Amino acid sequence: DQQVKQNSPSLSVQEGRISILNCDYTNSMFDYFLWYKKYPAEGPTFLISISSIKDKNEDGRFTVFLNKSAKHLSLHIVPSQPGDSAVYFCAASEVNTDKLIFGTGTRLQVFP
Amino acid sequence: DTGVSQDPRHKITKRGQNVTFRCDPISEHNRLYWYRQTLGQGPEFLTYFQNEAQLEKSRLLSDRFSAERPKGSFSTLEIQRTEQGDSAMYLCASSRGGGMDEQFFGPGTRLTVL
Repeated sequence: DQQVKQNSPSLSVQEGRISILNCDYTNSMFDYFLWYKKYPAEGPTFLISISSIKDKNEDGRFTVFLNKSAKHLSLHIVPSQPGDSAVYFCAASEVNTDKLIFGTGTRLQVFP
Repeated sequence: DTGVSQDPRHKITKRGQNVTFRCDPISEHNRLYWYRQTLGQGPEFLTYFQNEAQLEKSRLLSDRFSAERPKGSFSTLEIQRTEQGDSAMYLCASSRGGGMDEQFFGPGTRLTVL
């Protein structure tokens, strides 16, 4: 049972435009959500997080939105840059546990 | 470079052999995690430690797998009697702990079982 779902395996965006990556979850006990970026041959790198008491968190070009009623979160990257090309993973954890549950990832390609 | 190191980076072994991987976390981090990632999937949780105590183990961690963190610093993950299905990227991560704290991942050890 996939508790965290990323339904778009890939996304292609022009440099300078907005990239929107989506993530859906099924577990109501999740209270902390994270986005990681992964380049080939490297481990995932933490990007941004949001707790369930918020609906938005912003860090520079990256903004994460959380819609608890829809069990949906999204990552916005504005403006997109070629260096943002990577696989993006959404992850979540339940109250009182550090165990992260990851989605299957979305490969973002930013072209000039 | 996140500061989490793993050794070796690659391991090729024959089915039935035992393998051991090492993870060195960021020095001030109390919590250490092991995940496994197969092609086309996200990382899957295996186990984690608070200092030297193993707090949680996934059902994925069969009795052929054992993890230790003897002095609360580095950790080892051993797989006995490897099977072809064990071929994967094994990722280690660490965090300060205490909840809602990002985990910093190492580069991973890629295991290939022939």
